Parts: sequence; C-alpha cells; structure tokens
Amino acid sequence: DAKTTQPTSMDCAEGRAANLPCNHSTISGNEYVYWYRQIHSQGPQYIIHGLKNNETNEMASLIITEDRKSSTLILPHATLRDTAVYYCIVRVGGNDMRFGAGTRLTVKP
Amino acid sequence: NAGVTQTPKFQVLKTGQSMTLQCAQDMNHEYMSWYRQDPGMGLRLIHYSVGAGITDQGEVPNGYNVSRSTTEDFPLRLLSAAPSQTSVYFCASGPAELVLNYGYTFGSGTRLTVV
Repeated sequence: DAKTTQPTSMDCAEGRAANLPCNHSTISGNEYVYWYRQIHSQGPQYIIHGLKNNETNEMASLIITEDRKSSTLILPHATLRDTAVYYCIVRVGGNDMRFGAGTRLTVKP
Repeated sequence: NAGVTQTPKFQVLKTGQSMTLQCAQDMNHEYMSWYRQDPGMGLRLIHYSVGAGITDQGEVPNGYNVSRSTTEDFPLRLLSAAPSQTSVYFCASGPAELVLNYGYTFGSGTRLTVV
C-alpha cells in the first residue's frame, strides 16, 4: 500500500472550513483514499473515501488531485466537536487498513 | 443494532497472566481486525480475518493469537501478558467488499494495563 504524509497538527477557527491535506505520491491506480477520524480516545470513525473523483457526504468533501498524488479533506463549517486526529489512508479495498500518525486538528472558538 | 461490541472496557493484568479480549459484531461483516494504540500514537494492526476460519498477521502480531470460528466473533488472546502490551485495543469490522460501502466500524476499545 502507498504511504501517506500528513501535517502533524493544524488549527481552524470555529465556523470556518477546515482543509486537511494528505500527500500520497506513490499511490497506485487501484488504491483508494480513505479518511477516518478519532475523537479523544474513542474508536476511529469513518468519514469518506474515493478513488479518482471528488466525493461529498454529510460529513465532509474529499478532493483528489488529477494525478492522484495528493488529496484534501474539507470540513465545510468546522465545530468544536470536529477537534480530533484525522487519518488519511490509501489502500486497495477489501484487505487490512493501516493507520499512520494522522493530523491533530484543533478547532478554536 | 449494536455494531461492534468489545469487552471488557478496562482490564488490569499481572505480568505473565493470559486473557482474551472479546469482539463481536452483529452486521454480518466478513472482515474483522484488531488494532492496538499506544499513548500518543496511531493505530497498529495486530491480526485480521477475512472470514470464518481465515486469519492473518498484521504489523505487530507477536504475543497475540486470534481465531475466527464464527462470522460474529473475533477474540484476541494474550498468551503471557507483558508491560509492553499495555495499550488500548480496538476491534473493527467491515464487509469484504469495502469499497462499496461506508468503511470500517470500530468498537469503543479495551483499555489494558499490564503491571
């Protein structure tokens, strides 16, 4: 599976969009990009995933560059409850999923 | 719909003791896995299973055993607990064809301390 690089931490003002980048320059053609988050010490929560096209759901949007070497998770209107560690993972679906260190997002009032 | 249920939520063991962490899911998911998370670290994969009777090792399998006799259950056994196994353990499940759905569902974790 391709490796990912994420910033260690980021801050965002409450009500503003949070843009979390992820670099995956070695991604293969059949590897998907997944995003999860972990709030406090809870179990990780699935957010969104995509292959080539941009994706949007009720939680977030995922923007994947045309060359697929990087992506951005967008939380359109961040709230204090979005403070969490966000993990970007790339892999082929159906097998094990491996987490890196993630980005610690702090949403500030 | 309970999702993924892990028991116990907390456990303290003495060095050398053995125990089993339980994980059960009621979503008929083929895939189940165990992760550990040390303080301030990301999750590391211990073992996983793609169906009943099938298991495989992840990144950090040493000191742990698993079996998958039913679709619903995936217990994790610590054979002889060591202080290095002090961690939070998460179980996850998902359908085999992960890309067609919403991703893995995680349990709330078991916090294990080995003294």
